[in-house]
Amino acid sequence: GAVVSQHPSRVICKSGTSVKIECRSLDFQATTMFWYRQFPKQSLMLMATSNEGSKATYEQGVEKDKFLINHASLTLSTLTVTSAHPEDSSFYICSASYLGTDVNEQFFGPGTRLTVL
Amino acid sequence: GQNIDQPTEMTATEGAIVQINCTYQTSGFNGLFWYQQHAGEAPTFLSYNVLDGLEEKGRFSSFLSRSKGYSYLLLKELQMKDSASYLCAVMDSNYQLIWGAGTKLIIKP
Repeated sequence: GAVVSQHPSRVICKSGTSVKIECRSLDFQATTMFWYRQFPKQSLMLMATSNEGSKATYEQGVEKDKFLINHASLTLSTLTVTSAHPEDSSFYICSASYLGTDVNEQFFGPGTRLTVL
Repeated sequence: GQNIDQPTEMTATEGAIVQINCTYQTSGFNGLFWYQQHAGEAPTFLSYNVLDGLEEKGRFSSFLSRSKGYSYLLLKELQMKDSASYLCAVMDSNYQLIWGAGTKLIIKP
């Protein structure tokens, strides 16, 4: 149980285009979803936290107009990287949690590797 | 500021035991997590400690001392598949995870 999927797993795009990444909780309703970015050999960096039906809370330094997050339902959150540039190339990982877990555990998706040319 | 420290890299031999340490300074504490992350993959949950002491789960054990701001992950009977990065993360008073940079564990035959 508690499976999270992400799509696509890899994406290559041209500079200036927008890319949408989907995060789905497959067998549970995620009250909260988290979006992380991870550069090579670095730790996960939280970008934003989103609760279903409300606006995402962005971490300091993360541009909310560039990284659009929508959490339209309890099983789906999307991250759109608008006008992507090569410096946005990274590994993007979502995670989800739900009320009722004993340990406030976050369940991670498999990640999306974005390469911007 | 909030800080999580763990060694960058460790090497161990197949069949042996290795201990990965983690020290933390955070605003509040709501538990410490250990995750395993293979290259190019997302983290997978290993353990959670919120009270002092040792939690054992098969070949893996995790220890916590809240007064010392210290935890360790102990891996026994190492297997080649244990080669991965091990991430220590602390949940702060806002229930946000603060992540360490991870310890890359290299297992040699």
